[in-house]
Amino acid sequence: GQNIDQPTEMTATEGAIVQINCTYQTSGFNGLFWYQQHAGEAPTFLSYNVLDGLEEKGRFSSFLSRSKGYSYLLLKELQMKDSASYLCAGTLYGGATNKLIFGTGTLLAVQP
Amino acid sequence: DVKVTQSSRYLVKRTGEKVFLECVQDMDHENMFWYRQDPGLGLRLIYFSYDVKMKEKGDIPEGYSVSREKKERFSLILESASTNQTSMYLCASSSGQGSYEQYFGPGTRLTVT
Repeated sequence: GQNIDQPTEMTATEGAIVQINCTYQTSGFNGLFWYQQHAGEAPTFLSYNVLDGLEEKGRFSSFLSRSKGYSYLLLKELQMKDSASYLCAGTLYGGATNKLIFGTGTLLAVQP
Repeated sequence: DVKVTQSSRYLVKRTGEKVFLECVQDMDHENMFWYRQDPGLGLRLIYFSYDVKMKEKGDIPEGYSVSREKKERFSLILESASTNQTSMYLCASSSGQGSYEQYFGPGTRLTVT
């Protein structure tokens, strides 16, 4: 089956940089999403990589290597409001529509 | 902006009750999804629908059914609620036209006692 692995928890300091890694089995996945989810709220879209390389969006960047089954989310100039779960999700071809397969999420705690 | 709404934020039901969770999206999206989210297990797909009256099982369909009579509405039904169905339920939709991005509703926290 398709597995997506990411660390369960991370801690970082306000103002610092943190990298959240995600690895997956390469067969079947077309691209990779990152979502942010604050406690008690819905996941919200951060980024989508379908080509290898780095995509930068302000303080957030996302990287994908399809051949290695590896992605990361890079958060710069961390703010307290960045404390949230970060979900990695692979897009899977198949059937009548395309599904997302989610990792279990990485809970990031930003400390002062 | 895409808006996905769910009928309740919090719901408490008794074991054996029939439970309906409603989801509505306002962007004419083809695809709709129901997930449950549990600590340590992440988001798991229960059912999805790619068109009106069409549905497919996800990874954990047991104990659930769905209904999609209109394009904008996707209902999740627990025929006979059990305590192991206590969870956060999230609905999502996507356009299905070359776009994989899913837009999520606010979630329903269901407690079965």
